Amino acid sequence: QIQLVQSGAEVKRPGASVKVSCKTSGYTFASYDITWVRQAPGQGLEWMGWISGYNGDTNYAQKLQGRVTMTTDTSTSTAYMELRSLRSDDTAVYYCARGSYYVFWGQGTLVTVSS
Amino acid sequence: EIVLTQSPGTLSLSPGERATLSCRASQSVSSSYLAWYQHKPGQAPRLLIYGASTRATAIPDRFSGSGSGTDFTLTISRLEPEDFAVYYCQQYGSSPYTFGQGTKLEIK
Repeated sequence: QIQLVQSGAEVKRPGASVKVSCKTSGYTFASYDITWVRQAPGQGLEWMGWISGYNGDTNYAQKLQGRVTMTTDTSTSTAYMELRSLRSDDTAVYYCARGSYYVFWGQGTLVTVSS
Repeated sequence: EIVLTQSPGTLSLSPGERATLSCRASQSVSSSYLAWYQHKPGQAPRLLIYGASTRATAIPDRFSGSGSGTDFTLTISRLEPEDFAVYYCQQYGSSPYTFGQGTKLEIK
């Protein structure tokens, strides 16, 4: 069965970086993009960007340009999302999801940014 | 960037009633690349509809999607207790693939 399993919760100081992983299984990794979506407390869903599982091409939300990097490790079918220069408003649950519309999701990773 | 505006913000209905949720785009959504998701606390969102009107696998037929261009609708024909949640539309035809702000469907 298709699974996306994310890394565990993180607590970071303002200005630090966080890297969240999304290990996939049950399908051909190269056949789909991986998208990252986040939800801050009490807020809606925010699309962060995607990375191609085929060739690593990326497309980031403009507001995150320069702070976010998405990568993949095709040998382990894992996608990564790194967010730098963390601020308190980056506190959110971060999800990975497969494709352009999202049937399959990771379980979510809570990232808390607090001094 | 395509801005999606959902209305109403909150919808208060009783089980058995019909729910109509609206999603309006600031520009035409190409090829009706519009999806609807249900989101409950502590869970990942659940895909209900893609391509504006195609139900995802295992989604009950009380959920239906319609619309094209800039106006889209999610209809839940007869509300079940488990349908009370937040619903989001999302367009995936033009990057960035934006979400609407959500409609909270609550029990009256």
